[in-house]
Amino acid sequence: EVHLVESGGGLVQPGGSLRLSCAASGLTVSSNYMSWVRQAPGKGPEWVSVLFSDGSTYYGDSVKGRVTISRDNSKNTLYLQMNSLKSEDTAVYYCARHLVVTAIFFNWFDSWGQGTLVTVSS
Amino acid sequence: EIVLTQSPATLSLSPGERATLSCRASQSVNNYLAWYQQKPGQAPRLLIYDASNRATGIPARFSGSGSGTDFTLTISSLDPEDFAVYYCQQRRNWPLTFGGGTKVEI
Repeated sequence: EVHLVESGGGLVQPGGSLRLSCAASGLTVSSNYMSWVRQAPGKGPEWVSVLFSDGSTYYGDSVKGRVTISRDNSKNTLYLQMNSLKSEDTAVYYCARHLVVTAIFFNWFDSWGQGTLVTVSS
Repeated sequence: EIVLTQSPATLSLSPGERATLSCRASQSVNNYLAWYQQKPGQAPRLLIYDASNRATGIPARFSGSGSGTDFTLTISSLDPEDFAVYYCQQRRNWPLTFGGGTKVEI
């Protein structure tokens, strides 16, 4: 069974930094497509970033240049380094695994963590 | 980016009734559309992908249809556990985008 556990959220001042972690079990992070998806209070989800199994990455326009997605294969953990945080970055951040069907990856999210709350406020 | 508009914002129904939710894309997404269910305090749950394929473990009362720009999620007979918020998502283009949601309430 896939289990994703996010951590690292908290209260940070505008302009500050945070590193989110997503510890995985039941899957190998490096062999999967993994994304960060965030959800501001009362809003729909917003895709943030993806790390493909080949190491390539994409970022959403709202975070490009301010965040970096990475993984530690030895710890089977996904990360999101967030810098220059703004109030509009306040959200619950989820890590999510992309759906895989017969060894083909799709850009749908079939496994999610419980999320970690990031609050950017002075 | 592709904008997804969901309607209605809120759907007030009773258990046993049929629910019909709509998602409209700002440009064609072919059939690259998914539906998720989210309950308070929980992460979204994948229900339907590629417009009409049920994800693993999803009951047959959930069905999806549509292509191009107009899509529908139908819940044939609402179970009490189905009262939740539903989101659509497209994968036709980057960035992946979600709709604003439809709340199905009792």
